Amino acid sequence: AQSVTQPDIHITVSEGASLELRCNYSYGATPYLFWYVQSPGQGLQLLLKYFSGDTLVQGIKGFEAEFKRSQSSFNLRKPSVHWSDAAEYFCAVGEVLGTYKYIFGTGTRLKVLA
Amino acid sequence: SQTIHQWPATLVQPVGSPLSLECTVEGTSNPNLYWYRQAAGRGLQLLFYSVGIGQISSEVPQNLSASRPQDRQFILSSKKLLLSDSGFYLCAWSVGQGRETQYFGPGTRLLVL
Repeated sequence: AQSVTQPDIHITVSEGASLELRCNYSYGATPYLFWYVQSPGQGLQLLLKYFSGDTLVQGIKGFEAEFKRSQSSFNLRKPSVHWSDAAEYFCAVGEVLGTYKYIFGTGTRLKVLA
Repeated sequence: SQTIHQWPATLVQPVGSPLSLECTVEGTSNPNLYWYRQAAGRGLQLLFYSVGIGQISSEVPQNLSASRPQDRQFILSSKKLLLSDSGFYLCAWSVGQGRETQYFGPGTRLLVL
């Protein structure tokens, strides 16, 4: 069955440090992959998406993600974290089984230390 | 530009009472519409989605129901709320067949007491 796994429930980094959030998926074909960010009490905002082509995808707010088919991963990275990046991050797979559905991971909550 | 609205923003309801949450989208036609529930530490659970007026797909059997009376209106309802219905409810829209970005509303926080 299709699934998305975010193995880290919580991550804490210092401001200015680099960040990598992990996402692994289980999917039978080339997936459509998304990363979203959610600030407390708010809806989700798209950071970036991968459909095809270049496996390194650039997004908003200085984030990037790399699609690695061999590892079934789509990890999110940022070279230098800002305090305002503290939020919850969700990885998702779209067009599940050719449908209109998306599957989301359980999220990673990022804490940034000043 | 497209916008998505949800109301109310916050709701406190007693167990056994009815529920109606509304979601409307502006600036697009024939969107796919989705209802998700978010419980603490459990990510987003897809409850219902709709690809057109009157077309509702249910993902999780429970005491909730959804309706789409108009192209850009999606309503989540319950006849009798349970304690377990508490959570953060998010509406989203997209176009296409799941390859496109989903755009989320601001959410409704529901507390059932």
